[in-house]
This record gives sequence, C-alpha cells and structure tokens, in this order.
Amino acid sequence: EDQVTQSPEALRLQEGESSSLNCSYTVSGLRGLFWYRQDPGKGPEFLFTLYSAGEEKEKERLKATLTKKESFLHITAPKPEDSATYLCAVVTGTASKLTFGTGTRLQVTL
Amino acid sequence: DAMVIQNPRYQVTQFGKPVTLSCSQTLNHNVMYWYQQKSSQAPKLLFHYYDKDFNNEADTPDNFQSRRPNTSFCFLDIRSPGLGDAAMYLCATSRDGGGGTDTQYFGPGTRLTVL
Repeated sequence: EDQVTQSPEALRLQEGESSSLNCSYTVSGLRGLFWYRQDPGKGPEFLFTLYSAGEEKEKERLKATLTKKESFLHITAPKPEDSATYLCAVVTGTASKLTFGTGTRLQVTL
Repeated sequence: DAMVIQNPRYQVTQFGKPVTLSCSQTLNHNVMYWYQQKSSQAPKLLFHYYDKDFNNEADTPDNFQSRRPNTSFCFLDIRSPGLGDAAMYLCATSRDGGGGTDTQYFGPGTRLTVL
C-alpha cells in the first residue's frame, strides 16, 4: 500500500526565517508527486508537480525538489501570507488517484 | 476565470436525512473526483468519473453515491448521513485521468455538519 508521510506536522517560523518541509513516500512506481497549499476552510491550491528524481521547480519563495524516496518544499524568507497547510500527494500505477500525506501546518509570524 | 464551483459551501443535515452536494466546472475537464477530508486529516478519494465511467474506491461506504449528468456537473449523494460523515467534501477535476499525472484542480469544498 502506498504511504506518504509529511514532517514536521507543524512548523512555526519568523518572517524571513527559511526552512524546509519534508514529504517521504513508500510507493510502487511513482508517476508524479504533487504539492498543494491549503488555507483553512478552503480547497487545496496546486503548487507543483515533480515527475522524476533530481527534478526541481520554483515559484516565488517556494522551491520543490524530488529524490527517489522523498521530496522537500523549501521556503525562502517566508512572509505571514505563506501561512497555510502544505500537502504532498503521489500518483502511482495507472490509477488517477492522489494519495495525500496529512500535511504540514506552517505559521509565519512577524 | 475557469474554475471548480461547489454548492453549498456549508451544509447542515440531520442524522439519517439524505443530502446532496453539488460540483460544477468550467474547465471542460474529462475527469471529476470527490474527496472526503476530516479535520486535520488527509483528503481521501471516494470515487471519480472518467467522462461517464464511474470508478468507486474499494473502501468507500455504500452510503455514498454519485451522479454525473453531463461534463460540467457532478453530485455527491449521502443516503443516510451518520455523525462520522461530518467532514469537508472536496470536488476536483483533471483534464485527462489516463496515466493519472494530470494536475487535479480543487473546488473550495463543502463543509458538512451532521446533527
């Protein structure tokens, strides 16, 4: 059974304090790894898709990387508006199913 | 703007009283999904439609049904809601589910409360 584990569960940063969120996965045949941002009471918002080890993608203060066992979401000089839950999800096999981790709740304070 | 719309945003129902949640999309995507997300938990796929083909997850309770009358609309029916069905219900769409790596775009969700 595919498993996705995110750490830490919660992270509190001061504005400007860079850090990384981890998503480790145990799957058979990774086809894609997705990062989403979810604000309280809202649906997940798509950030990145990574398909193969060594791939990196960037968007503003966020950078996602992928290895054969895990993915990192690096947040550089975060701002309070980056506060949200960040979800990682994988797609394996031929199914259209996203298997999500439970997320990392990020809080960025002034 | 092309988008995924869910109605209502908040739904309160009584124990055992059937309820229907609605999802519509202007993206003209072939695939529509329903996820259940309980508090502080990961979204869990209930079922999805690839065009008109219905795909049920093995562990989705029989209490949950779905209809897709056309490309744009998809409904989630909960026949006899229990207290354990209180959750956020998320609708998502993707252009083409074949291969499974197309991005899924989510609606804002419907928060269901069961009294």
